[in-house]
Amino acid sequence: KAGVTQTPRYLIKTRGQQVTLSCSPISGHRSVSWYQQTPGQGLQFLFEYFSETQRNKGNFPGRFSGRQFSNSRSEMNVSTLELGDSALYLCASSLVVAGGNTDTQYFGPGTRLTVL
Amino acid sequence: AQSVAQPEDQVNVAEGNPLTVKCTYSVSGNPYLFWYVQYPNRGLQFLLKYITGDNLVKGSYGFEAEFNKSQTSFHLKKPSALVSDSALYFCAVSTNRDDKIIFGKGTRLHILP
Repeated sequence: KAGVTQTPRYLIKTRGQQVTLSCSPISGHRSVSWYQQTPGQGLQFLFEYFSETQRNKGNFPGRFSGRQFSNSRSEMNVSTLELGDSALYLCASSLVVAGGNTDTQYFGPGTRLTVL
Repeated sequence: AQSVAQPEDQVNVAEGNPLTVKCTYSVSGNPYLFWYVQYPNRGLQFLLKYITGDNLVKGSYGFEAEFNKSQTSFHLKKPSALVSDSALYFCAVSTNRDDKIIFGKGTRLHILP
């Protein structure tokens, strides 16, 4: 099976712009989670989508949003970019087991976003 | 609320020696525990998980972890370290009552030749 793919791999934007990142999960995986990774804050959970619905959300401002399509592909959008948004954005897909728990997460290579 | 702690920011081990990367957790309900590894400029890779059953879990690349319920720990171990094991290691936890997964801050493992 193909792994999780993320596009683009690298992105440079300026403050105030907006950006959309894309994630294609492993075939059959219906849960997609997004994380922000920075040297200072580590790995921080953004949100999780399951069956086109946001199931969980981390503590990020409303500038960060996402969605999931019927084929489980997901996008995240960041509006009004700030310098502090520079980070590696990771997407992970997983199966959802009986009871609704998320099983092992498989990560994509990430999108490196630089905000100038 | 559930949480996971990796008390060491960095661990240094000589090549060939055994290594341990520590992880403790706090949850309500039964824990589901995971270890991931991240190499430079790469996404996280799954190493192993504990859901139920045998307390000693074996995973990829010769790693194993022991679930200790009384100490609420899930330390990652390997009998003989390789230089190629140098990476960032993350412990994560979820439960049978909460579908969120929480990651620790990560431990950087340096294997010295």
